[in-house]
Amino acid sequence: GENVEQHPSTLSVQEGDSAVIKCTYSDSASNYFPWYKQELGKRPQLIIDIRSNVGEKKDQRIAVTLNKTAKHFSLHITETQPEDSAVYFCAAGYQKVTFGTGTKLQVIP
Amino acid sequence: DTGVSQDPRHKITKRGQNVTFRCDPISEHNRLYWYRQTLGQGPEFLTYFQNEAQLEKSRLLSDRFSAERPKGSFSTLEIQRTEQGDSAMYLCASSPVSGTQETQYFGPGTRLLVL
Repeated sequence: GENVEQHPSTLSVQEGDSAVIKCTYSDSASNYFPWYKQELGKRPQLIIDIRSNVGEKKDQRIAVTLNKTAKHFSLHITETQPEDSAVYFCAAGYQKVTFGTGTKLQVIP
Repeated sequence: DTGVSQDPRHKITKRGQNVTFRCDPISEHNRLYWYRQTLGQGPEFLTYFQNEAQLEKSRLLSDRFSAERPKGSFSTLEIQRTEQGDSAMYLCASSPVSGTQETQYFGPGTRLLVL
């Protein structure tokens, strides 16, 4: 089955700086790579996703890159704001997805 | 609210008791997923349905766990003879079906505490 590794587990940045979270996956059949944001006590919310036929996707301050050859994908958040503080999960899969272990992002005002 | 809903939101039970959770997906979504999430971890896949058919069940899932989606709409997850290790957040998600994997939308979860 799919195995997704996510780094770092915690990340602290100053407000306005960029944050980068990296994930690797094992199953070359995976073709869908979503990223979810989860605030304390709340449900995971999709923030961006990418499919294997695309190498990069951007939505305002958030961007995701995918390298299928190396089996890794990354989330980039620019101009971070305190409300970006949360746990972020990457996931990878085909018919279903496997989640990474999460990155706790803290944006310091 | 047309999102995914789950009931109950919280459940406290004693070890050995059976519990059942319900998930109502977004109405036009054919796929329904169950996950378990423990503190500090990502959601762990349990099982998923396409319409009423259960297509996959995690090998990690004990036979104490069973899920149904009898009419292809709502789903139930039952845990028999609960153990303290079953304490977790149980999340349901749904997605439409197309040629490729579609976005999964999560419900608010049912938090289970087994005493």
